[in-house]
Amino acid sequence: DVKVTQSSRYLVKRTGEKVFLECVQDMDHENMFWYRQDPGLGLRLIYFSYDVKMKEKGDIPEGYSVSREKKERFSLILESASTNQTSMYLCACRRAGGPPEQYFGPGTRLTVT
Amino acid sequence: SQQGEEDPQALSIQEGENATMNCSYKTSINNLQWYRQNSGRGLVHLILIRSNEREKHSGRLRVTLDTSKKSSSLLITASRAADTASYFCATARTDSSYKLIFGSGTRLLVRP
Repeated sequence: DVKVTQSSRYLVKRTGEKVFLECVQDMDHENMFWYRQDPGLGLRLIYFSYDVKMKEKGDIPEGYSVSREKKERFSLILESASTNQTSMYLCACRRAGGPPEQYFGPGTRLTVT
Repeated sequence: SQQGEEDPQALSIQEGENATMNCSYKTSINNLQWYRQNSGRGLVHLILIRSNEREKHSGRLRVTLDTSKKSSSLLITASRAADTASYFCATARTDSSYKLIFGSGTRLLVRP
């Protein structure tokens, strides 16, 4: 079974802080995704990575950046956290060219005060 | 705008009853997937139906797809308290099948 882990379940940060959210998968999947989930809005794609060092903006990339230096790890960076980035952040992965379903981590609930 | 929209937003049923959730979408799709999310957790893939399929079964789950109406339904038969969760449809577009567009979900409560 694919296992996707995220570095923290809950995180509280102050406005203006630099925040790192880490995601690690153990199944050698090429594609990795970062979503944010807000009530009534479903999941929205922030960034997508095809493979190591490859990235593509999703639907809401503003205020975020990503890093994919190793295949198993995909980091989401909030350069200067703001209160409107308070949300649940979900990481997912998928095998390129394989079945289209994505495998999700447990999520990180981030609160920016 | 949201690609997938679920209906109803919330559903409360008695254990043993069937639960039906609907999803509508706007653009041409490659496939449509349903996911489940237990409270405060990540999503788990349930079932996928391709654009050339009309119905698919998996255990107590039945999914239908009507591409002419751009809609899908998820039926859970003989529901259990453990089915209590949020259910999301996600569509994969024909021009970018790896990108999923999620709806806002249906919250299902199964009362024991």
